[in-house]
Amino acid sequence: DTGVSQDPRHKITKRGQNVTFRCDPISEHNRLYWYRQTLGQGPEFLTYFQNEAQLEKSRLLSDRFSAERPKGSFSTLEIQRTEQGDSAMYLCASSLIRLGGRLNEQFFGPGTRLTVL
Amino acid sequence: SQQGEEDPQALSIQEGENATMNCSYKTSINNLQWYRQNSGRGLVHLILIRSNEREKHSGRLRVTLDTSKKSSSLLITASRAADTASYFCAPRAMIGKSTFGDGTTLTVKP
Repeated sequence: DTGVSQDPRHKITKRGQNVTFRCDPISEHNRLYWYRQTLGQGPEFLTYFQNEAQLEKSRLLSDRFSAERPKGSFSTLEIQRTEQGDSAMYLCASSLIRLGGRLNEQFFGPGTRLTVL
Repeated sequence: SQQGEEDPQALSIQEGENATMNCSYKTSINNLQWYRQNSGRGLVHLILIRSNEREKHSGRLRVTLDTSKKSSSLLITASRAADTASYFCAPRAMIGKSTFGDGTTLTVKP
């Protein structure tokens, strides 16, 4: 257990439905990242937050995807009108960046496995 | 992009042997991390090495970093069947996002 939790762990949905995932980072971590991983490949970066500010979004993050971190603690990732190509493991990670730019370890949660039928 | 590229793609060894995996990347980094992932599970953080460090140890793991060659290596000594997993390197620039390759799949035969 890394201290990063994700909910749900598994989600099966039908094409066209909306889904929302939650990530709770390690409590003192000010950075939170979302990644997507498909079978046989490494994780791909989607977006990241520093506190509540969303600072970068990958071009992989289409208009159907939205992420929030309203109070700088937990984050949600919503996918609207799901497609079969959205089936993947969605991973959340958190880290701490200190004043002066010291960037510490990035810890991953267990992931949410999404299956779109 | 700093995307890490691991080499080899697959490695099969006998228990007790050492396993070496290599990683190359393209641009300047703040640090580089190595992760392990068992099938269908999340990523487990192994080691972080900073750009001003050349070598780091943790138990049976040894990581080296050569910023002039933009490469890193992970050595697992005295491997065990439980080390069977995929291993990823993740170079990170200051914004901190990790950019992964497709990993090295290590199989340790008992």
